[in-house]
Amino acid sequence: DQQVKQNSPSLSVQEGRISILNCDYTNSMFDYFLWYKKYPAEGPTFLISISSIKDKNEDGRFTVFLNKSAKHLSLHIVPSQPGDSAVYFCAAIWNMDSNYQLIWGAGTKLIIKP
Amino acid sequence: GAGVSQSPSNKVTEKGKDVELRCDPISGHTALYWYRQSLGQGLEFLIYFQGNSAPDKSGLPSDRFSAERTGGSVSTLTIQRTQQEDSAVYLCASSRQGGSHGYTFGSGTRLTVV
Repeated sequence: DQQVKQNSPSLSVQEGRISILNCDYTNSMFDYFLWYKKYPAEGPTFLISISSIKDKNEDGRFTVFLNKSAKHLSLHIVPSQPGDSAVYFCAAIWNMDSNYQLIWGAGTKLIIKP
Repeated sequence: GAGVSQSPSNKVTEKGKDVELRCDPISGHTALYWYRQSLGQGLEFLIYFQGNSAPDKSGLPSDRFSAERTGGSVSTLTIQRTQQEDSAVYLCASSRQGGSHGYTFGSGTRLTVV
């Protein structure tokens, strides 16, 4: 049972346009969400995060939106650049009785077309 | 099972002792990754196995860390002479070759060195 779902395995976007990556989750106890970016043959690197008490967090070209009622978050990249081509992972943090768990989505491969 | 299995889920060890962490990837996944997640920090890449190729060990933080993957399936991450700074959640992930079908992460092993 996947608690964090990224339903699009891949996404292709024209350079300069907006990229929107989506993530759905099932557990309302998640209290923090993160997006990671991964290039081939490298480990994921942290991109941006959002606390469950917020609905938006912005950092330069990257904005993460959280809709708690829908259990949905999205990552917006605008404008998209060729270097943004990578696999993007959504992850959720769950603190339960001091047992810290990090639960990952399967990733979405973003391809930026020139 | 259908997912990536890691054991143990929790491990408390005394400083200076050796520990072994196990990862059982999804059957048929040729790529296997080990990562470390320290609380409040980003995900740190440790080592990557792809099929029968020599593993990418570039992320291992010191020579106290080593990993093996037997028969292209189960992997063991060994930490010798553990230190307190080794305390973290150790995550394993697997994917089909190239990760084009997405990555599946295990639930991690929480290691606490006291």
